[in-house]
Amino acid sequence: AQSVTQLGSHVSVSEGALVLLRCNYSSSVPPYLFWYVQYPNQGLQLLLKYTSAATLVKGINGFEAEFKKSETSFHLTKPSAHMSDAAEYFCAVSGNTGNQFYFGTGTSLTVIP
Amino acid sequence: DAGITQSPRHKVTETGTPVTLRCHQTENHRYMYWYRQDPGHGLRLIHYSYGVKDTDKGEVSDGYSVSRSKTEDFLLTLESATSSQTSVYFCAISEYQTVGAGYTFGSGTRLTVV
Repeated sequence: AQSVTQLGSHVSVSEGALVLLRCNYSSSVPPYLFWYVQYPNQGLQLLLKYTSAATLVKGINGFEAEFKKSETSFHLTKPSAHMSDAAEYFCAVSGNTGNQFYFGTGTSLTVIP
Repeated sequence: DAGITQSPRHKVTETGTPVTLRCHQTENHRYMYWYRQDPGHGLRLIHYSYGVKDTDKGEVSDGYSVSRSKTEDFLLTLESATSSQTSVYFCAISEYQTVGAGYTFGSGTRLTVV
């Protein structure tokens, strides 16, 4: 079975500061991990994904995430926050034969000017 | 999102009435999914389809039914709407069932049951 835990339902950062959104996963098989972003009143958009290639994954809008098997983590980072990064972020996991994703409960990112 | 359209975008309905939400795709993807999004719960799978007339239940399927008579359309029906079904409903599509493909999501339907 697979599951994800997102630590912190709300995160606030100052504009220009480091963004760190935490995601830990549980999986009985090699996982495939994803980060999605949801802007207000919109659907979810894929930010990046890990599919067993490079452990450091680069996504859109300057975000990246590092797969750490020893820590069962897939934290999302961005060196410098922008006002436009304010959104809800979801981590998701899928097994290698999964017919669905398992989503975390989401982290709402606020960027303070 | 390009290639996937949900209708209606907003709906208010009364308790006990049937409601049908529509998801339409132009990508010819085989797999389609219905999720609901609620605060503190993230997204939870209601039903999914792996082909025309092929559907299966997700983790929160009680009170919901689906139909897929054409590749491009996936309908979600609330047989008798209840206040607990007030939520935002998202449709998603994928080309491959398994890993790596990711999902493409629609813009959502906000349903309020009064």
